Amino acid sequence: EVQLVESGGGLVQPGGSLRLSCTGSGFTFSSYWIHWVRQAPGKGLVWVSRINSDGSSRSYADSVKGRFTISRDNAKNTVYLQMNTLRAEDTAVYYCARDSGTYGYDWVDPWGQGTLVTVSS
Amino acid sequence: SYELTLPLSVSVALGQTARITCGGNNIGSKNVHWYQQKPGQAPVLVIYRDTNRPSGIPQRFSGSNSGNTATLTISRAQAVDEADYYCQVWDSGTAVFGGGTKLTVL
Repeated sequence: EVQLVESGGGLVQPGGSLRLSCTGSGFTFSSYWIHWVRQAPGKGLVWVSRINSDGSSRSYADSVKGRFTISRDNAKNTVYLQMNTLRAEDTAVYYCARDSGTYGYDWVDPWGQGTLVTVSS
Repeated sequence: SYELTLPLSVSVALGQTARITCGGNNIGSKNVHWYQQKPGQAPVLVIYRDTNRPSGIPQRFSGSNSGNTATLTISRAQAVDEADYYCQVWDSGTAVFGGGTKLTVL
């Protein structure tokens, strides 16, 4: 079964840092682009970042550029999202999802179950 | 930045046809993907590249895309179809999601 599992969420103070992990199984992890998408409580889906199969290409939403860093360790089948200088508006469930295309510009499926990040003092 | 417009809510009687329209400038020139999300769950892909249905998605789900509007059609709507639905495209290197439509099956 193709599966993605996120971890690392929690409560953090404004200005703090957190690292999320996304571990894949059931497929050749090193062959796929991976995305992070977030959803604030009661709100819609917002794309955050993506990384290509070997980690050499990354892109970010303007709202997180310069604060978040995406990376991957294919030996561990894991993608990371390092989040620094966190703000209250970063509070959300963070999902990772697998891109279905060659260039990272296609549909995403499947999605992980999500991990909740709460930024609050 | 590119914007996708979805109605906040759509209601449909049990067994009837629901249509959720996603508006965007010349959206017909883009690939549109649709996701279903039930409360407390992760999104699930229901339509990709405008009209294609993933394995495991019921045949009552279909999609179309032309001009400035993409449409998700749910025929013979069932109670289990009650969920939030999102359309998504890529524009200028960014994935763009519509704000979400809450589908209520009456």
